[in-house]
Amino acid sequence: GAGVSQSPSNKVTEKGKDVELRCDPISGHTALYWYRQSLGQGLEFLIYFQGNSAPDKSGLPSDRFSAERTGGSVSTLTIQRTQQEDSAVYLCASSLGLAGGLREQYFGPGTRLTVT
Amino acid sequence: GESVGLHLPTLSVQEGDNSIINCAYSNSASDYFIWYKQESGKGPQFIIDIRSNMDKRQGQRVTVLLNKTVKHLSLQIAATQPGDSAVYFCAEKRVGGTSYGKLTFGQGTILTVHP
Repeated sequence: GAGVSQSPSNKVTEKGKDVELRCDPISGHTALYWYRQSLGQGLEFLIYFQGNSAPDKSGLPSDRFSAERTGGSVSTLTIQRTQQEDSAVYLCASSLGLAGGLREQYFGPGTRLTVT
Repeated sequence: GESVGLHLPTLSVQEGDNSIINCAYSNSASDYFIWYKQESGKGPQFIIDIRSNMDKRQGQRVTVLLNKTVKHLSLQIAATQPGDSAVYFCAEKRVGGTSYGKLTFGQGTILTVHP
Protein backbone atom coordinates (compact mmCIF):
# COMPACT_ATOMS: atom_id res chain seq x y z
CA GLY A 1 0.00 0.00 0.00
CA ALA A 2 0.93 3.65 -0.13
CA GLY A 3 3.42 4.85 2.41
CA VAL A 4 3.90 8.25 3.95
CA SER A 5 4.35 10.91 1.29
CA GLN A 6 5.84 14.36 1.61
CA SER A 7 5.95 17.37 -0.66
CA PRO A 8 7.86 19.05 -2.00
CA SER A 9 10.85 16.73 -2.07
CA ASN A 10 13.18 19.70 -2.32
CA LYS A 11 12.64 23.34 -1.45
CA VAL A 12 15.05 26.22 -1.88
CA THR A 13 14.00 29.50 -0.34
CA GLU A 14 15.50 32.84 0.48
CA LYS A 15 16.21 33.85 4.03
CA GLY A 16 13.21 35.59 5.54
CA LYS A 17 10.59 33.84 3.41
CA ASP A 18 7.92 31.53 4.80
CA VAL A 19 7.69 27.88 3.71
CA GLU A 20 5.08 25.17 4.04
CA LEU A 21 5.91 21.49 4.04
CA ARG A 22 3.24 18.88 3.57
CA CYS A 23 2.85 15.35 4.91
CA ASP A 24 0.28 12.75 3.87
CA PRO A 25 0.31 9.93 6.42
CA ILE A 26 -0.63 6.33 5.82
CA SER A 27 -4.40 6.00 5.68
CA GLY A 28 -5.82 5.05 9.06
CA HIS A 29 -2.79 6.14 11.05
CA THR A 30 -3.91 8.36 13.89
CA ALA A 31 -0.48 9.48 15.09
CA LEU A 32 1.72 11.80 13.04
CA TYR A 33 5.21 13.04 13.83
CA TRP A 34 7.57 15.65 12.43
CA TYR A 35 11.35 15.36 12.79
CA ARG A 36 14.26 17.42 11.52
CA GLN A 37 17.54 15.95 10.31
CA SER A 38 20.48 18.26 9.87
CA LEU A 39 23.41 17.24 7.67
CA GLY A 40 25.23 14.27 9.16
CA GLN A 41 23.09 14.33 12.28
CA GLY A 42 20.44 12.20 13.87
CA LEU A 43 16.78 13.04 13.85
CA GLU A 44 15.44 15.74 16.12
CA PHE A 45 11.83 15.48 17.27
CA LEU A 46 9.70 18.53 16.50
CA ILE A 47 6.02 17.82 17.11
CA TYR A 48 3.45 15.05 17.12
CA PHE A 49 -0.29 14.71 16.77
CA GLN A 50 -2.44 11.92 18.16
CA GLY A 51 -6.07 11.83 17.12
CA ASN A 52 -7.98 14.81 18.46
CA SER A 53 -5.65 15.38 21.39
CA ALA A 54 -3.65 18.57 21.73
CA PRO A 55 -0.35 18.15 19.87
CA ASP A 56 2.94 17.78 21.69
CA LYS A 57 4.89 20.82 20.49
CA SER A 58 7.77 20.40 22.90
CA GLY A 59 10.36 19.91 20.15
CA LEU A 60 9.64 23.01 18.09
CA PRO A 61 12.85 25.09 18.18
CA SER A 62 11.20 28.52 18.04
CA ASP A 63 7.88 30.28 17.58
CA ARG A 64 8.68 30.59 13.87
CA PHE A 65 7.75 26.91 13.60
CA SER A 66 4.17 25.73 13.66
CA ALA A 67 2.24 22.74 12.43
CA GLU A 68 -1.34 21.75 11.96
CA ARG A 69 -3.18 18.62 11.05
CA THR A 70 -6.47 18.96 9.24
CA GLY A 71 -9.20 16.36 9.52
CA GLY A 72 -6.90 14.01 11.36
CA SER A 73 -4.98 13.28 8.17
CA VAL A 74 -2.77 15.69 6.19
CA SER A 75 -0.32 17.81 8.15
CA THR A 76 1.48 21.02 7.25
CA LEU A 77 4.66 22.25 8.91
CA THR A 78 5.14 25.98 8.49
CA ILE A 79 8.38 27.84 9.04
CA GLN A 80 8.08 31.61 9.09
CA ARG A 81 10.91 34.03 8.34
CA THR A 82 13.28 31.20 7.49
CA GLN A 83 16.88 31.34 8.63
CA GLN A 84 19.92 29.55 7.23
CA GLU A 85 20.05 27.30 10.29
CA ASP A 86 16.63 25.97 9.29
CA SER A 87 18.27 24.17 6.37
CA ALA A 88 17.73 20.46 6.95
CA VAL A 89 15.70 17.48 5.87
CA TYR A 90 12.25 17.52 7.44
CA LEU A 91 10.85 14.05 7.97
CA CYS A 92 7.30 13.06 8.70
CA ALA A 93 6.24 9.74 10.21
CA SER A 94 2.93 8.16 11.08
CA SER A 95 1.81 5.24 13.19
CA LEU A 96 -1.35 3.41 14.09
CA GLY A 97 -1.67 5.21 17.37
CA LEU A 98 0.19 5.40 20.59
CA ALA A 99 -0.86 2.07 22.16
CA GLY A 100 1.50 2.74 25.00
CA GLY A 101 3.95 4.37 22.65
CA LEU A 102 4.97 1.08 21.10
CA ARG A 103 3.61 1.43 17.60
CA GLU A 104 6.10 1.36 14.74
CA GLN A 105 6.58 4.71 13.05
CA TYR A 106 6.70 4.72 9.26
CA PHE A 107 8.73 7.52 7.76
CA GLY A 108 8.27 9.47 4.57
CA PRO A 109 11.18 10.34 2.25
CA GLY A 110 11.52 13.83 3.69
CA THR A 111 11.65 17.36 2.32
CA ARG A 112 15.11 18.83 1.87
CA LEU A 113 14.93 22.52 2.76
CA THR A 114 17.73 24.86 1.76
CA VAL A 115 17.65 28.45 2.95
CA THR A 116 19.96 30.73 0.97
CA GLY B 1 21.24 15.35 30.06
CA GLU B 2 19.46 12.47 28.44
CA SER B 3 20.96 11.23 25.23
CA VAL B 4 21.29 8.29 22.95
CA GLY B 5 24.64 8.08 21.18
CA LEU B 6 26.83 5.82 19.11
CA HIS B 7 30.41 4.70 19.75
CA LEU B 8 31.52 4.43 16.10
CA PRO B 9 30.50 6.85 13.39
CA THR B 10 31.67 4.60 10.50
CA LEU B 11 32.03 0.88 9.95
CA SER B 12 33.46 -0.82 6.86
CA VAL B 13 33.11 -4.56 6.38
CA GLN B 14 33.53 -7.12 3.64
CA GLU B 15 30.53 -8.81 2.12
CA GLY B 16 29.70 -11.93 4.08
CA ASP B 17 31.19 -10.69 7.34
CA ASN B 18 29.10 -10.06 10.43
CA SER B 19 28.62 -6.44 11.46
CA ILE B 20 28.12 -5.04 14.93
CA ILE B 21 26.87 -1.50 15.47
CA ASN B 22 26.86 -0.10 18.98
CA CYS B 23 24.80 2.46 20.82
CA ALA B 24 24.92 3.91 24.32
CA TYR B 25 22.06 5.53 26.16
CA SER B 26 22.07 7.57 29.32
CA ASN B 27 18.54 7.35 30.66
CA SER B 28 18.06 4.23 32.76
CA ALA B 29 14.29 4.83 32.64
CA SER B 30 14.20 4.23 28.88
CA ASP B 31 11.60 1.64 28.08
CA TYR B 32 11.91 0.76 24.44
CA PHE B 33 14.64 0.83 21.81
CA ILE B 34 14.50 0.66 18.04
CA TRP B 35 17.05 0.32 15.27
CA TYR B 36 16.44 2.13 12.01
CA LYS B 37 18.21 1.88 8.67
CA GLN B 38 18.38 4.96 6.46
CA GLU B 39 19.49 4.76 2.85
CA SER B 40 20.54 7.82 0.94
CA GLY B 41 17.60 10.05 0.04
CA LYS B 42 15.10 7.99 2.00
CA GLY B 43 13.46 8.15 5.37
CA PRO B 44 14.47 5.78 8.18
CA GLN B 45 13.18 2.24 7.92
CA PHE B 46 12.35 0.13 10.96
CA ILE B 47 14.65 -2.87 11.44
CA ILE B 48 14.04 -4.32 14.86
CA ASP B 49 13.00 -3.27 18.33
CA ILE B 50 13.45 -4.44 21.89
CA ARG B 51 11.76 -3.67 25.16
CA SER B 52 13.63 -2.97 28.35
CA ASN B 53 12.42 -6.23 29.93
CA MET B 54 14.37 -8.21 27.30
CA ASP B 55 18.10 -8.58 26.66
CA LYS B 56 18.04 -10.13 23.21
CA ARG B 57 15.77 -10.26 20.22
CA GLN B 58 16.36 -11.85 16.83
CA GLY B 59 15.00 -11.04 13.42
CA GLN B 60 15.94 -12.06 9.93
CA ARG B 61 19.76 -11.77 9.83
CA VAL B 62 19.64 -9.19 12.62
CA THR B 63 19.93 -9.46 16.38
CA VAL B 64 19.58 -6.69 18.93
CA LEU B 65 21.23 -7.01 22.30
CA LEU B 66 20.40 -4.84 25.29
CA ASN B 67 22.66 -4.55 28.32
CA LYS B 68 20.83 -2.48 30.88
CA THR B 69 23.66 -2.67 33.39
CA VAL B 70 25.95 -0.59 31.19
CA LYS B 71 23.14 1.07 29.17
CA HIS B 72 24.36 -0.37 25.90
CA LEU B 73 22.53 -1.49 22.81
CA SER B 74 23.94 -3.27 19.79
CA LEU B 75 22.75 -4.38 16.38
CA GLN B 76 24.31 -7.45 14.85
CA ILE B 77 23.89 -8.10 11.14
CA ALA B 78 24.81 -11.58 9.97
CA ALA B 79 26.36 -12.22 6.54
CA THR B 80 26.37 -8.53 5.66
CA GLN B 81 25.44 -7.73 2.08
CA PRO B 82 26.14 -4.66 -0.07
CA GLY B 83 22.44 -3.78 0.24
CA ASP B 84 22.97 -3.35 3.96
CA SER B 85 25.12 -0.28 3.31
CA ALA B 86 23.30 2.62 4.95
CA VAL B 87 23.24 4.79 8.05
CA TYR B 88 21.97 2.97 11.12
CA PHE B 89 20.31 4.82 13.97
CA CYS B 90 19.34 3.64 17.38
CA ALA B 91 16.35 5.37 18.91
CA GLU B 92 14.81 5.46 22.31
CA LYS B 93 11.16 5.74 23.04
CA ARG B 94 9.92 6.74 26.45
CA VAL B 95 6.50 5.43 27.26
CA GLY B 96 4.28 7.68 29.30
CA GLY B 97 4.82 11.14 30.70
CA THR B 98 5.10 14.29 28.65
CA SER B 99 7.33 12.67 26.03
CA TYR B 100 4.88 9.89 25.36
CA GLY B 101 5.41 8.35 21.95
CA LYS B 102 8.22 10.47 20.52
CA LEU B 103 11.58 9.04 19.51
CA THR B 104 15.01 10.26 20.60
CA PHE B 105 17.63 9.32 18.01
CA GLY B 106 21.35 8.74 18.24
CA GLN B 107 23.80 10.29 15.80
CA GLY B 108 24.01 7.33 13.44
CA THR B 109 26.68 4.92 12.15
CA ILE B 110 27.58 4.70 8.50
CA LEU B 111 27.92 1.07 7.45
CA THR B 112 29.76 0.41 4.19
CA VAL B 113 29.85 -3.12 2.83
CA HIS B 114 32.52 -3.88 0.26
CA PRO B 115 31.86 -6.63 -2.29
